[in-house]
Amino acid sequence: EPEVTQTPSHQVTQMGQEVILRCVPISNHLYFYWYRQILGQKVEFLVSFYNNEISEKSEIFDDQFSVERPDGSNFTLKIRSTKLEDSAMYFCASREGTGDEKLFFGSGTQLSVL
Amino acid sequence: AQSVAQPEDQVNVAEGNPLTVKCTYSVSGNPYLFWYVQYPNRGLQFLLKYITGDNLVKGSYGFEAEFNKSQTSFHLKKPSALVSDSALYFCAVRDQYTGGFKTIFGAGTRLFVKA
Repeated sequence: EPEVTQTPSHQVTQMGQEVILRCVPISNHLYFYWYRQILGQKVEFLVSFYNNEISEKSEIFDDQFSVERPDGSNFTLKIRSTKLEDSAMYFCASREGTGDEKLFFGSGTQLSVL
Repeated sequence: AQSVAQPEDQVNVAEGNPLTVKCTYSVSGNPYLFWYVQYPNRGLQFLLKYITGDNLVKGSYGFEAEFNKSQTSFHLKKPSALVSDSALYFCAVRDQYTGGFKTIFGAGTRLFVKA
């Protein structure tokens, strides 16, 4: 079965540093998402991306966050200046968009901000 | 606005007994409803969905869920629990017409099945 891949699996960074989390969605999918999960609890929506632009974002997704699909296969989440509270598991997901509404999730990147 | 409530943080059940994990939702329009499961250190995996049609939907691993529009509920059920069903379960919703692109998840319910 096709899958969403995320790299790295773990990222440790210093507060104030920039990080880029990478995802390769399933190739024929049209909708892309970032979610985050803190301490194995609630899964929070960050942003959705469709047709090469952000279609929706949450209040968490402030000016420190950005997303990009630079080459038609990768989908990245950038945090410009990380804060301690950005520490979380970040999940990328994609959706086919042709009636099958389910999301396919990657295994996540555990971000630790020190 | 759309929202999902999972009233139980944890559900404990003995192996072989039926299980129910509760979910209620709120949307402006018609809902797409989902259940996902998460095993330790893994991403979420799709279990089942309700889009339209029959209110009882069947999914992976013997799970099923019943859509109840009047009670705005979508409870997850399984007739006979297995120890391997122990995991974190998330109910999710997307409004078909006004929800935009995002799927919203509940807080999760940890299922613990005892042998």
